[in-house]
Amino acid sequence: AQRVTQPEKLLSVFKGAPVELKCNYSYSGSPELFWYVQYSRQRLQLLLRHISRESIKGFTADLNKGETSFHLKKPFAQEEDSAMYYCALSDTNRDDKIIFGKGTRLHILP
Amino acid sequence: DARVTQTPRHKVTEMGQEVTMRCQPILGHNTVFWYRQTMMQGLELLAYFRNRAPLDDSGMPKDRFSAEMPDATLATLKIQPSEPRDSAVYFCASGLARGPNYGYTFGSGTRLTVV
Repeated sequence: AQRVTQPEKLLSVFKGAPVELKCNYSYSGSPELFWYVQYSRQRLQLLLRHISRESIKGFTADLNKGETSFHLKKPFAQEEDSAMYYCALSDTNRDDKIIFGKGTRLHILP
Repeated sequence: DARVTQTPRHKVTEMGQEVTMRCQPILGHNTVFWYRQTMMQGLELLAYFRNRAPLDDSGMPKDRFSAEMPDATLATLKIQPSEPRDSAVYFCASGLARGPNYGYTFGSGTRLTVV
């Protein structure tokens, strides 16, 4: 079954330190993966898509098919990065149904 | 920026009452999702539509929930009768499946409290 796993519910990182939010997926096919971010009491926003190979707000994510991972990274954390981060997979075998992980709350310590 | 509009933003209702949540997707988007967000379960997919046709509503308790798209500018999610366990934030999202801007835009959500 298609599944997205974010093993950490909470990640606390000091300002200026590197950030890595883990995401692993289970999918039989070529996945399309996303990261969404939700700042306090706001709507979810698309952060980046693996097909775009983009860097948004200093964040990058590389799809590793061997490890079935799509970890989100940033070299230097900023206080404004504190938010809830969701990894998501588009099930291209099932009409692009979007499946989300349970999310990781990133807390940047001053 | 084009936005997905959800109404109402907040709703407090008594157990047993009918609740209707509305979503106006971004004009031109052909896919609409409904999600429920809770602390315990995170984001759960309830239903989604492509070109107004329902594709999957397997995540929705069908005895009390129903989702429709009466036209391209409106998606609705109804709960009848509502129960305290339905208390959550309900998000609508719209987008273009695999278009050049693939990815979905979320609304601000409806925070539902059933007492």
